[in-house]
Amino acid sequence: DAGVTQSPTHLIKTRGQQVTLRCSPKSGHDTVSWYQQALGQGPQFIFQYYEEEERQRGNFPDRFSGHQFPNYSSELNVNALLLGDSALYLCASSPVGPAEAFFGQGTRLTVV
Amino acid sequence: QQQVKQSPQSLIVQKGGISIINCAYENTAFDYFPWYQQFPGKGPALLIAIRPDVSEKKEGRFTISFNKSAKQFSLHIMDSQPGDSATYFCAASAPGRRALTFGSGTRLQVQP
Repeated sequence: DAGVTQSPTHLIKTRGQQVTLRCSPKSGHDTVSWYQQALGQGPQFIFQYYEEEERQRGNFPDRFSGHQFPNYSSELNVNALLLGDSALYLCASSPVGPAEAFFGQGTRLTVV
Repeated sequence: QQQVKQSPQSLIVQKGGISIINCAYENTAFDYFPWYQQFPGKGPALLIAIRPDVSEKKEGRFTISFNKSAKQFSLHIMDSQPGDSATYFCAASAPGRRALTFGSGTRLQVQP
């Protein structure tokens, strides 16, 4: 049983560009959440998707948007990249009911 | 009100010793308190979790102690091993779709 998978693992973008990160949840999980982890800090909640809709959102600007597909996979899009967007982006999936969240290995985004 | 405060920032323990990491929260709506272990370049891995209806939960060498009145919880790692060297994050979530609020992390180093 594959766990949470994210792609790509590493990415380098130029300031002002747009980026799309992808996540496939663990089998049987229907909820996907995205987190941003700056170097040396704890993950910060970006938003959460369930039944193809954004259900909760953290304190992130509208440049951050997402999508969930019928197979529960998800994308995170970031527009107009800033240097400060450089971070490890983590996807977590959760099953219906239990609160446990399982994380992927993350996508390391570097904005230059 | 959403903060989770974690201490210490770093910890050095001798092999075989006990590692203790503490967290305090403010939001009384939180009802699920997980601990995650993260190795460099990897996503956080769920270690152990507790709900406020119990004061202690033990899984192998890992124990969570929970004090609801003080709004504090802690992770104890018994017989610490060099392989336990990692960054540990406490987290908390409220009922609903369960976005996690993370602490700032504790970098644990277990010396052989």
